[in-house]
Amino acid sequence: ELKVEQNPLFLSMQEGKNYTIYCNYSTTSDRLYWYRQDPGKSLESLFVLLSNGAVKQEGRLMASLDTKARLSTLHITAAVHDLSATYFCATPQGGSEKLVFGKGTKLTVNP
Amino acid sequence: EAGVAQSPRYKIIEKRQSVAFWCNPISGHATLYWYQQILGQGPKLLIQFQNNGVVDDSQLPKDRFSAERLKGVDSTLKIQPAKLEDSAVYLCASSFLQLNTEAFFGQGTRLTVV
Repeated sequence: ELKVEQNPLFLSMQEGKNYTIYCNYSTTSDRLYWYRQDPGKSLESLFVLLSNGAVKQEGRLMASLDTKARLSTLHITAAVHDLSATYFCATPQGGSEKLVFGKGTKLTVNP
Repeated sequence: EAGVAQSPRYKIIEKRQSVAFWCNPISGHATLYWYQQILGQGPKLLIQFQNNGVVDDSQLPKDRFSAERLKGVDSTLKIQPAKLEDSAVYLCASSFLQLNTEAFFGQGTRLTVV
């Protein structure tokens, strides 16, 4: 059974600092999705990583995928308060479109 | 482009009552998903439709949960009878039929069972 683990689960950081969120998954997968969720809101798609070595950047966020290590990272550069949210990674269970999500990383950026 | 629409946004019911949620996916999206998100956890897939057929319902508690997608567009998810542990946000998502396409999520229905 596919398991997706994120760490840390909680992250409190100062504005202007850098940090990385890690997403490990237990079985082979060639795709990885990152979502953002604000309190009381739905999930917003951030990145779709479709191949080994894929790297995508949007503003202060950069995501990468290493399918051999079964690892994806979400790097935050010079954090700002607006990035405070919960970030989820998800990958499909083998041969299907059934996404399995991690527990999420709750990020708080303090002024 | 209109997003995934869900209603109601909030629902409070007593245990053993029944409840239904409605979802209207993005126009042209053949695939529709219902996820359950318990507080503090990631979403868990309950059921996936492709047009009006069920692709995966392996994690749907079929003794109390049912879902349908008549005519391959709107979908309803029903719980009967509800239990306390069903308290969660129920998210509907949709995507195009092709592989590797991302799913777009609705705002969800927050269910509280008391």
